[in-house]
Amino acid sequence: AQRVTQPEKLLSVFKGAPVELKCNYSYSGSPELFWYVQYSRQRLQLLLRHISRESIKGFTADLNKGETSFHLKKPFAQEEDSAMYYCALKPPASGSRLTFGEGTQLTVNP
Amino acid sequence: GAVVSQHPSWVICKSGTSVKIECRSLDFQATTMFWYRQFPKQSLMLMATSNEGSKATYEQGVEKDKFLINHASLTLSTLTVTSAHPEDSSFYICSGLFLAGGHEQYFGPGTRLTVT
Repeated sequence: AQRVTQPEKLLSVFKGAPVELKCNYSYSGSPELFWYVQYSRQRLQLLLRHISRESIKGFTADLNKGETSFHLKKPFAQEEDSAMYYCALKPPASGSRLTFGEGTQLTVNP
Repeated sequence: GAVVSQHPSWVICKSGTSVKIECRSLDFQATTMFWYRQFPKQSLMLMATSNEGSKATYEQGVEKDKFLINHASLTLSTLTVTSAHPEDSSFYICSGLFLAGGHEQYFGPGTRLTVT
């Protein structure tokens, strides 16, 4: 069975500092990986997916199949980035079923 | 963008009663919807996949007789928690699968269930 691990439950950085939210996964095949974000009192929303290879709100994430990781990075954190971030995995032919990591609460301090 | 709503946003019920939660896709048709459960400060756990016009597919360990799912139309799925117990208290979140949007799931705002 697949599994997604986010080792940090809490992450605190200062505004302007680089930030990296770690995500490791276990799956024997080639899954699709996602990052979702949940701002305070808002619903969960997609931030980015690895197949898009795009930067959203300054965030990027690279899929490293060798290390089975999909870390989320931003070079200069902003206060509005404070939120809960979830890494998620979707196996191929899974009917779009997602497996979520436990989430990392990011706080960007002024 | 694709919007999913849930009703009610919060509900309190007594032990032994049943409560129904609605999940609606407002501006798209969702042949597939998903129901998740989220405990405080924990991740989303997929409970079941709801398919329009057919039986839901439940994840391992989820009691289908306790969590009844009905997906009678392309825009509405309902989750009924039957004979609720305090341990069923949780945050229930649904999502609709937007096929035209790259098979992306759009999430509802969630329903807070408290069983007393």
